[in-house]
Amino acid sequence: AQKITQTQPGMFVQEKEAVTLDCTYDTSDPSYGLFWYKQPSSGEMIFLIYQGSYDQQNATEGRYSLNFQKARKSANLVISASQLGDSAMYFCAMRQPNTGFQKLVFGTGTRLLVSP
Amino acid sequence: GAVVSQHPSWVICKSGTSVKIECRSLDFQATTMFWYRQFPKQSLMLMATSNEGSKATYEQGVEKDKFLINHASLTLSTLTVTSAHPEDSSFYICSASSGDEENQPQHFGDGTRLSIL
Repeated sequence: AQKITQTQPGMFVQEKEAVTLDCTYDTSDPSYGLFWYKQPSSGEMIFLIYQGSYDQQNATEGRYSLNFQKARKSANLVISASQLGDSAMYFCAMRQPNTGFQKLVFGTGTRLLVSP
Repeated sequence: GAVVSQHPSWVICKSGTSVKIECRSLDFQATTMFWYRQFPKQSLMLMATSNEGSKATYEQGVEKDKFLINHASLTLSTLTVTSAHPEDSSFYICSASSGDEENQPQHFGDGTRLSIL
């Protein structure tokens, strides 16, 4: 079965510094997609970035980038130049391949706190 | 684009009441919508997958008769928590995908905080 692991329950970073949030996954299917979402305290889930299993390059989206290491089955999120508004829960998710409904499996999340 | 609206955002009601939560895709058609439940400080747990015009597919352990899902149109899915009890109190959040392509993210509503007294 597909599984997502986020080993960091909480992370602290100072404003303007970079931070890496870890995510490892387990799947036997060669085709899959990896997503990162941000959940502020208000509860909404905000899509940040996507990495496809066949993508040759690491995904980037503004201050967000993915350190995708396929052989290690890791897809770590890098946030550069942290801002106070980045304080939130961050979830890594994998799209279950070969399911007709494109279900997502979520990790347990990492709470990021950005300090001034 | 790809906005999902969820209503209501907060519900407080008495035990035994049935509560309906709506999930609408505002600017795209969603053949598939998803309903999640999230307990405090925990991850999202998929409850069911809702398909337009057909019965929902429930995850193992989710009571179909307790959580009724209807997906009557390509832009609307509803979750009804029937005869709600305090243990049903939780954060419920829906999502929809604007396409079946591999890289299409699920777009989430803002969630509904349900408190049963």
